[in-house]
Amino acid sequence: EAEVAQSPRYKITEKSQAVAFWCDPISGHATLYWYRQILGQGPELLVQFQDESVVDDSQLPKDRFSAERLKGVDSTLKIQPAELGDSAMYLCASSFSGDRTDTQYFGPGTRLTVL
Amino acid sequence: DAKTTQPNSMESNEEEPVHLPCNHSTISGTDYIHWYRQLPSQGPEYVIHGLTSNVNNRMASLAIAEDRKSSTLILHRATLRDAAVYYCIPYAGGTSYGKLTFGQGTILTVHP
Repeated sequence: EAEVAQSPRYKITEKSQAVAFWCDPISGHATLYWYRQILGQGPELLVQFQDESVVDDSQLPKDRFSAERLKGVDSTLKIQPAELGDSAMYLCASSFSGDRTDTQYFGPGTRLTVL
Repeated sequence: DAKTTQPNSMESNEEEPVHLPCNHSTISGTDYIHWYRQLPSQGPEYVIHGLTSNVNNRMASLAIAEDRKSSTLILHRATLRDAAVYYCIPYAGGTSYGKLTFGQGTILTVHP
């Protein structure tokens, strides 16, 4: 069964450093999502792509976070500079079309620890 | 986005049915009700979704109230693998693209 791939699985960095996360969605999925999950809370949507275009980045802290999905396939989420409060699980998900009946498939996540 | 209310936690015994409730009184008429679950140290996974009618699949059943202000996820025979956080999510209507807004969810503990 096809899966969403993410790397790295774990990342430890010091504050003020730059970090980047990579996501490869299920082949053929037009919609890609990045979520952030703080321990003990539900995931929060950071950014949503439809193909290569951003359709929702209202919760993305744009002063330090950036996301891209060149060619509408894989995606990179970057944080520069990292802050202590960025410690969280970063989840990538994809869906076929992004329709309200569509299923989102999640990757295993990247656990970020900022020291 | 519609607000949801779920119990913080529930417990069950293995092989017994589990009924997980969710209130979503502000749901719009076009919002689908999705349920996802998250096993420890994993990303969320889809369980089931519905609009107005009750729905069944290999994982669970979804019972939706006639006024759509509440729904219940039913696990017919809980197993230890069903221990997870269960999220009830009205899938935002009125937009071109779906958006999942996760709440706190219900932590389900299954006892052997």
